[in-house]
Amino acid sequence: RKEVEQDPGPFNVPEGATVAFNCTYSNSASQSFFWYRQDCRKEPKLLMSVYSSGNEDGRFTAQLNRASQYISLLIRDSKLSDSATYLCVVRNSGNTPLVFGKGTRLSVIA
Amino acid sequence: EPEVTQTPSHQVTQMGQEVILRCVPISNHLYFYWYRQILGQKVEFLVSFYNNEISEKSEIFDDQFSVERPDGSNFTLKIRSTKLEDSAMYFCASTGGYGLTGELFFGEGSRLTVL
Repeated sequence: RKEVEQDPGPFNVPEGATVAFNCTYSNSASQSFFWYRQDCRKEPKLLMSVYSSGNEDGRFTAQLNRASQYISLLIRDSKLSDSATYLCVVRNSGNTPLVFGKGTRLSVIA
Repeated sequence: EPEVTQTPSHQVTQMGQEVILRCVPISNHLYFYWYRQILGQKVEFLVSFYNNEISEKSEIFDDQFSVERPDGSNFTLKIRSTKLEDSAMYFCASTGGYGLTGELFFGEGSRLTVL
């Protein structure tokens, strides 16, 4: 079983749409969770951390369900500039390495 | 804004040649990492480095790979004898934070093409 699994994508949505990405992780001992964004042939950049109580940053909302080992990202009012690959990332403890999912590609269309 | 810088941005080499990829982490950071991403695949951990020694490495990081921090600013990844399957984007990353919330900052990557 893969450590971090994501929706396969790609997601093609019109501007203004709401889109949700899902992710599951296999290690129940995982302690921290993130969504990174990666533009084509660029480096991953932190979009937001995911907290147990859920958290929001502008149009982006992240949720964590530890019991189901499930993480989600909701993007409201999609912009053309949101087009990218969204990476679900997990860390088990301390400064142990980040474990990346393969990513879900989003294309926002005018 | 401080950033992680990597050189070269792209290197083409022949199979069997040695390659050195260079990184300058953010100056006050303490933890350094190399990741790689084969085209179309996920980002994979190679090695982490702290206090001038390797703290963790993956099964990918075999004897052909080595890392070094030669002068307190540069952080290098050496591949001794490149194989075709080493073709990938190599990302250096650093963090100054300890613990679960320390954000990892990635460089723009070095694309390695092995012919």
